[in-house]
Amino acid sequence: DVKVTQSSRYLVKRTGEKVFLECVQDMDHENMFWYRQDPGLGLRLIYFSYDVKMKEKGDIPEGYSVSREKKERFSLILESASTNQTSMYLCASSLGGEGTGELFFGEGSRLTVL
Amino acid sequence: AQKITQTQPGMFVQEKEAVTLDCTYDTSDPSYGLFWYKQPSSGEMIFLIYQGSYDQQNATEGRYSLNFQKARKSANLVISASQLGDSAMYFCAMREVITGNQFYFGTGTSLTVIP
Repeated sequence: DVKVTQSSRYLVKRTGEKVFLECVQDMDHENMFWYRQDPGLGLRLIYFSYDVKMKEKGDIPEGYSVSREKKERFSLILESASTNQTSMYLCASSLGGEGTGELFFGEGSRLTVL
Repeated sequence: AQKITQTQPGMFVQEKEAVTLDCTYDTSDPSYGLFWYKQPSSGEMIFLIYQGSYDQQNATEGRYSLNFQKARKSANLVISASQLGDSAMYFCAMREVITGNQFYFGTGTSLTVIP
């Protein structure tokens, strides 16, 4: 079974802190994604990566950066956390190629910024 | 414009009845995939069903079927014989090749199954 593991289920940070959210997948997937989920807004794409060291901005990249140094690992970085970044963060991965290949999700990281 | 639109924030269905969750999409890409995911209160996202844009027949997976109407750009999820465990958020999603295999999600529908 594909497994996508997110390093922390729950985090509490203070405004201005640097926050790292780690995500690891074990199925050699090319594509990896970071979403944030907020009530009434669904899932919004922050960044995605289709290869090592490659990254593409999603719909809401402001205030975030990412790193993909190895194929299996995709990190989301909040350089200076703010209260409006309190949210559920979901990492996902998928195979490359056309039209097929569902997203496999991690369990999510619920971040609270005080 | 929204890529995925789910117009039903909340739905109720009687146990053992069928229910349809609506989803419309917007794309100019001839090659795309449509997905439905279930998110129970525990938070994990569970893949339910997939429909490719070139598939001629509607996808089915057990009690789930996808009513794919390409001309209308709709991809409604039908759950037959609802069970209490079907109570969850349901998200419709689309994967576009033209945007580098990005996935777009709707805002979700909260389904409650009533005993």
